[in-house]
Amino acid sequence: QSVLTQPPSASGTPGQRVTISCSGSRSNIGSNTVNWYQQLPGTAPKLLIYNNWQRPSGVPDRFSGSKSGTSASLAISGLQSEDEADYYCAAWDDSLNGHVAFGGGTKVTVL
Amino acid sequence: QVQLVQSGAEVKKPGASVKVSCKASGYTFNSYFIHWVRQAPGQGLEWMGIINPSAGSTVYAQKFLGRVIMTRDTSTSTVYMEVNSLSSEDTAVYYCARPGTAVAATSQFSYWGQGTLVTVSS
Repeated sequence: QSVLTQPPSASGTPGQRVTISCSGSRSNIGSNTVNWYQQLPGTAPKLLIYNNWQRPSGVPDRFSGSKSGTSASLAISGLQSEDEADYYCAAWDDSLNGHVAFGGGTKVTVL
Repeated sequence: QVQLVQSGAEVKKPGASVKVSCKASGYTFNSYFIHWVRQAPGQGLEWMGIINPSAGSTVYAQKFLGRVIMTRDTSTSTVYMEVNSLSSEDTAVYYCARPGTAVAATSQFSYWGQGTLVTVSS
């Protein structure tokens, strides 16, 4: 049972916009920034969005993040076949002496 | 460039221990915390804990208290994570990860090791 709640799956056709939600609580998303990771099969996660909405160098601007209160979301605009992957949200959680909370992950399928 | 290179795959029997290493290069080792994250087959990411390479201090996820030990060797810029009393539920890929900033309380992992598969089987 993950601390942050994500839908298990999302899908879209090439060119469509897909949005993934991430729901938390006051001790994690409500108090700290949200980061998003993309994981392709058999590889380590890759930082996709940090500090709620910022993109690391090299990440296409098709990817965008936002946060409001205790929820966050990741949007993929102009969906491409190479975007088919697992996506995870993460936030520091101030409870229990502090720890990192991850979402359960969302599998994005390009139809 | 920043690199985290982990040790190779391991196969262990239930009840045994495993020690995974993560060798850092390309930056000042003592300046950034190292976190450990694991991923069971077909499952999501699970945070295990964090080590301060400078002081050697650690914080572990509650689930792993008393069963996981994180250490470091500053002379070789290597951090280690040992898991004791292994069971089949510990079968997973174990990753070390380094934040992009020099703070402990963050989930912003800019750099990841390649992962180490630990298989627990009798």
